[in-house]
Amino acid sequence: GAGVSQSPSNKVTEKGKDVELRCDPISGHTALYWYRQSLGQGLEFLIYFQGNSAPDKSGLPSDRFSAERTGGSVSTLTIQRTQQEDSAVYLCASSLKWASTDTQYFGPGTRLTVL
Amino acid sequence: AQSVAQPEDQVNVAEGNPLTVKCTYSVSGNPYLFWYVQYPNRGLQFLLKYITGDNLVKGSYGFEAEFNKSQTSFHLKKPSALVSDSALYFCAVRDQGRDSNYQLIWGAGTKLIIKP
Repeated sequence: GAGVSQSPSNKVTEKGKDVELRCDPISGHTALYWYRQSLGQGLEFLIYFQGNSAPDKSGLPSDRFSAERTGGSVSTLTIQRTQQEDSAVYLCASSLKWASTDTQYFGPGTRLTVL
Repeated sequence: AQSVAQPEDQVNVAEGNPLTVKCTYSVSGNPYLFWYVQYPNRGLQFLLKYITGDNLVKGSYGFEAEFNKSQTSFHLKKPSALVSDSALYFCAVRDQGRDSNYQLIWGAGTKLIIKP
C-alpha cells in the first residue's frame, strides 16, 4: 500500500476483554515498530520486528501484551484482560530496514478506550 | 542516559512570523536526529532528519533544522509561519553509540499554535 495502515481506527472495549490491533506496513519494509501514545504525551516504545522476529520486547508493559508478525508483513498487537490504564493511541511504524539511519513511517493509529 | 528535551510545551507565533521549536538531546555516541509533526487525530508525519554532513537540514512544508553539536541542539525553524502549521511537533534521536540504536528516543512534544 501507499502508507502504513492500522485497524481498527477506534476501539472501545470493556475492562477484562481481549483486543487485537492490526498493522499493515508499507510494502517492502522489513522493520516494524509498535508505540503507545497516551493523551498529550510522547511516544512509548513497545516492540520492534526485524522480519518476523522480535529482537526487542523490552517495552511491552506487562505479560498481557504480545505481538506477532507473519509473512514479514502484517503485525498484530494483542492485549489480554484489558485495563483502564491501557487506554491510549497505539501507533505502528515501519522502515525499509532496521538501520539506524532509516526513517520510520507511521500509521494513523488505533485509539483504544477501555471502559 | 539518552534523552530528548523539548523545553516548551507550547509555542505561539503570529502568521507570517518566523518560528522556532526547540530540541536538545543527550546521547553517548553521535546522534541521528528526527523531527515529526502530528496533526489532530492523525499519525506522525516525518519532516526531516540529520544523519551527517551539512548542519542545516531542509525538510517538508518549508521547515528546516540546524544541528549544533556543541550545544547538543536540533531546533526546528521556518521563516514564515502558516496557520496550517499548527500541530504537535516531536523531536527524536537515535544514539549511534548504542547497540539498540534502532530505538528512537522521543521528546514530549511541543504544541505549535499559529494565530492569524
